[in-house]
Amino acid sequence: AQSVSQHNHHVILSEAASLELGCNYSYGGTVNLFWYVQYPGQHLQLLLKYFSGDPLVKGIKGFEAEFIKSKFSFNLRKPSVQWSDTAEYFCAVNAQSGTYKYIFGTGTRLKVLA
Amino acid sequence: ETGVTQSPTHLIKTRGQQVTLRCSSQSGHNTVSWYQQALGQGPQFIFQYYREEENGRGNFPPRFSGLQFPNYSSELNVNALELDDSALYLCASSLFQVNEQYFGPGTRLTVT
Repeated sequence: AQSVSQHNHHVILSEAASLELGCNYSYGGTVNLFWYVQYPGQHLQLLLKYFSGDPLVKGIKGFEAEFIKSKFSFNLRKPSVQWSDTAEYFCAVNAQSGTYKYIFGTGTRLKVLA
Repeated sequence: ETGVTQSPTHLIKTRGQQVTLRCSSQSGHNTVSWYQQALGQGPQFIFQYYREEENGRGNFPPRFSGLQFPNYSSELNVNALELDDSALYLCASSLFQVNEQYFGPGTRLTVT
C-alpha cells in the first residue's frame, strides 16, 4: 500500500536557522511529489511540486525540495526560516495512474521563534 | 479564474444526524476529490467523482456518499454521524487524470 512518512512531527527553530523536513514514501510506480503548507486557520497551499526532470525543485517563499529516487525521499529545505514560516507542513504523493489521489503524510508542525 | 469554494465554513451536528457539504470546483475542472483531515493528521482520501460517477474510493464506510452535478460541483453526504467524523473536510478539483489537484478552504464539522 502507498504511504508517506514524515519523521519530524514537531520542530522548533529560531529565526534564521536552516530547515530540513524529511519525507519518505512507499510506492513502486511513478509518482508526483508535493509539499503543502497550512498556516494557522488557513487552507492548504502548495509550496512546490515535482513531476519529472530536475530533482531539485524550487517553490514559493524560498523553499526547495530534492527528490532522491533511490531513497524514495523528497525532503523540504529552507536556508533561513522566518517567524512567518510557523505552520504545518505536509508532504504528499500521487501515483501517475488511476484516480491520482493524494496520499498525505501526518504533517510536521513547525514553530519559529522570533 | 475562480478557485475551489466550499460551504458551509463550519457546522455543528449531533451524533446520528446527517450532513451535506458542498463544493464548487475551479473553473474548467471536471473532477472532484474529497478528503477528511482529522485533528493532528494529514488529509485522507474519501472518494473522487468524475462524470457524475464515483471514480475511486478510500477506506471509508458506505455512510459517506457523494454526488457530482453536471456543472462539476459536488456534495459529500455523511449519514449516521459519529463523534469520530469531527474533522476538516477538504474538496479538491482537477482535470481528470491530471497530476495536480487544487484544494478548497474546507468545512470544519464538529459532531457532539
